[in-house]
Amino acid sequence: NAGVTQTPKFQVLKTGQSMTLQCAQDMNHNSMYWYRQDPGMGLRLIYYSASEGTTDKGEVPNGYNVSRLNKREFSLRLESAAPSQTSVYFCASRVTGTGVYEQYFGPGTRLTVT
Amino acid sequence: GDSVTQMEGPVTLSEEAFLTINCTYTATGYPSLFWYVQYPGEGLQLLLKATKADDKGSNKGFEATYRKETTSFHLEKGSVQVSDSAVYFCALRDSNSGYALNFGKGTSLLVTP
Repeated sequence: NAGVTQTPKFQVLKTGQSMTLQCAQDMNHNSMYWYRQDPGMGLRLIYYSASEGTTDKGEVPNGYNVSRLNKREFSLRLESAAPSQTSVYFCASRVTGTGVYEQYFGPGTRLTVT
Repeated sequence: GDSVTQMEGPVTLSEEAFLTINCTYTATGYPSLFWYVQYPGEGLQLLLKATKADDKGSNKGFEATYRKETTSFHLEKGSVQVSDSAVYFCALRDSNSGYALNFGKGTSLLVTP
């Protein structure tokens, strides 16, 4: 049981390049989330998927797209990277159930855009 | 919207000192509250949680009590260890956004021998 896995762990992009961050969970969770973490800002929600087949914008969605490929996988795509997207990106998942709200996080992807 | 505010860091303590990290929240209703911990270079791990008023969450010697009268969820530990050095995040369950978590900005803790 690996929990939530993310690839890659590190990435350096040039401005304008594109890439996809991969996330997978093996806990049979319904809901998945993408956050970004910036110094002094805590974590901010980029996109979420409440269940397979649905995605919605969070607090900071501009410049990103997502795909909920199946119940296990939720990817985040940067179409044209900008230096402002330099950040650490975390994927998380949550089991759906009454009163159950804790999330389980992946190890993160550290992205630098030059 | 719902939000949490936690004390600024960094906090530096000697081993075996008492720890308090303050967290207050603003919310409609009484959402679940959490403390997460992030060790260097790692993702966030759930440390403890409380789902309703007056609940006390506890784990690994850490405790926090959900107090609705003061809208607070302060994290405490009676005797910190060097291995507790990490960043601690207070969070609450957002009633929108698919029950995403709203995080505070984090408090860095350094425990020295």
